Parts: sequence; C-alpha cells; structure tokens
Amino acid sequence: GNSVTQMEGPVTLSEEAFLTINCTYTATGYPSLFWYVQYPGEGLQLLLKATKADDKGSNKGFEATYRKETTSFHLEKGSVQVSDSAVYFCALSPPKTSYDKVIFGPGTSLSVIP
Amino acid sequence: AAGVIQSPRHLIKEKRETATLKCYPIPRHDTVYWYQQGPGQDPQFLISFYEKMQSDKGSIPDRFSAQQFSDYHSELNMSSLELGDSALYFCASSPSPGTGVIWELFFGEGSRLTVL
Repeated sequence: GNSVTQMEGPVTLSEEAFLTINCTYTATGYPSLFWYVQYPGEGLQLLLKATKADDKGSNKGFEATYRKETTSFHLEKGSVQVSDSAVYFCALSPPKTSYDKVIFGPGTSLSVIP
Repeated sequence: AAGVIQSPRHLIKEKRETATLKCYPIPRHDTVYWYQQGPGQDPQFLISFYEKMQSDKGSIPDRFSAQQFSDYHSELNMSSLELGDSALYFCASSPSPGTGVIWELFFGEGSRLTVL
C-alpha cells in the first residue's frame, strides 16, 4: 500500500541553522509528493510540491527534490527563522487515475529559537 | 482568490449530542475530502465525494455521515458524540482529474470540535 514516513520530532534549531526533514514514501506508480505546513492554531497550507521524478519544489526558501531511486522527498532550508516554527507534513497522492485521498506522514514539529 | 470555507470554526458539544460541520469548496472544484486531526496527530482521511457521490471512505465511524449537495458544498454530521471525537476537522477540495491537471488538495482552516 501507499505510505509516508518522516523523521520523528520535535526538531529544535537555532535561528539561521540549516534544516533537513527526511521523508520517504512507498507507493505504486508515480505519485505526486507534497510538503504541507501547519502553523500553531492554523490549518494546513501547501508549502511545495513535485509531480515527477527529479522535480524540485521550492517556496519561501524551502526546497525538496523528488528522488525516485531513493523514494525520498527530503525538505531543506538553508537558514531557518523563528517564523518557520510549525509542524511539517510530508504527503503523497497516488497517480490521479482514481479519487484516492492524500496520504500524510506523521508530521515533524520544528521549533526555531532566537 | 477564493479558498475553502469551513463553518463553524469552533464548536463545543456535550457527550451524546449531535454536530454538523459545513464545507464550501473552491468554485469549480467538484471533489471534497474530510479529514480528522486529533491533538498531536497527523490528519486522518474520513470520506470524500465527487460530483455528489461518495468516492472513497476512510476511517469514518458509523456514527458519522456526510453528503455533498448540488452546489458542491458538503456537510459532515456527527451523532452520539464521544470525548474522542474532539479534534480539528479539515475539509479540502480539488478539481476533477484531467489531462495536464496538476492535482492537489486545497484545505480549509478547519473546524475545531470540543466534546465535553
């Protein structure tokens, strides 16, 4: 079946540190991959996405590359800010041949301290 | 741009009561999904609708039901509420699949249900 695994948190970093949140997936075919972010007390927001192998999604200084050979979609940011403190969810959607739902990883909580 | 609208944003109920959550998808989106997110948990898929028909079902309790109406809005009805139903309920919408469509979910801000 389809599944998403993320590195466990919580992750605590100092401001301007480098961030990596690992994400690996199991899926049949060629899924689309996403990173969603949830700020405290808010809903889910799409951070970035990639729909095919070797695609790089990027937004707000965050990047992730769709690596089919390692079935990974690791999230990176070169210099985190306090405002990046949130929970980050890696997610996949199976190829859009049916109406399967998005599958989320367990989430990784990030705290950035000044 | 218009987003997914959910109401109410906050709801407090007693055990064994009934609650109804509403979701208004982005215009021209015909697919709606409901997710439940417990405290500190990842979102769990409950149910989805396409063109007013149930398209997929996840871990939705039998006490819950949902439907999509002719204007594509959806309602999630929850009866005999239990303490464990306290959660953030998200609705998401997406356009129907098609060649060249980059498919993704657009989430509402959620409805927080507290059962006392």
